[in-house]
Amino acid sequence: GAVVSQHPSRVICKSGTSVKIECRSLDFQATTMFWYRQFPKQSLMLMATSNEGSKATYEQGVEKDKFLINHASLTLSTLTVTSAHPEDSSFYICSASGTSGGSTQETQYFGPGTRLLVL
Amino acid sequence: SQQGEEDPQALSIQEGENATMNCSYKTSINNLQWYRQNSGRGLVHLILIRSNEREKHSGRLRVTLDTSKKSSSLLITASRAADTASYFCATYPPGAGNMLTFGGGTRLMVKP
Repeated sequence: GAVVSQHPSRVICKSGTSVKIECRSLDFQATTMFWYRQFPKQSLMLMATSNEGSKATYEQGVEKDKFLINHASLTLSTLTVTSAHPEDSSFYICSASGTSGGSTQETQYFGPGTRLLVL
Repeated sequence: SQQGEEDPQALSIQEGENATMNCSYKTSINNLQWYRQNSGRGLVHLILIRSNEREKHSGRLRVTLDTSKKSSSLLITASRAADTASYFCATYPPGAGNMLTFGGGTRLMVKP
């Protein structure tokens, strides 16, 4: 099946710094990528949807200036947490959907997640 | 907001027993999907069932869908310790394009 990677898998940073998380579709072209946030023992909450070459669509309550999303190519999307604070500590997961390489638009393929800890 | 609600929230069983998880959703759907998440990891797609299907099998997994009750169930037969994970149902609400919306999840623990 389709493979999505995320980098880094874990990151610890000081409060006030910015952190960039990469999401890559390895064997298919992801026309759409999604960013989720997950707190311990809770479900995934969609933060934003990004389509290649256009601005991301953010869910209500998600600050677009704090969570910068760039989807510059069909295989890469990045999420930058700017001026991170301890309350931004969470598990961030990306997913991708596309129609090439055996992937179908109906199924999203998830990355392994990035655990962010802000001290 | 979450489209689906799952019950139970947590389930603990012995290896070899069957595990049943239920999911209810609020709007009409084209399909419903089940995912598994091991602790601290990403999600793995398990099975997709379309709105015109009532039951679907994949290995030890059996999924049912009742669109009249807006509910689905996931049955894992002959459970193994490796099945320990959280299980989520997910749907594409109408008008949401390919934005997948998840239920709250069921945390399954299978004791050896």
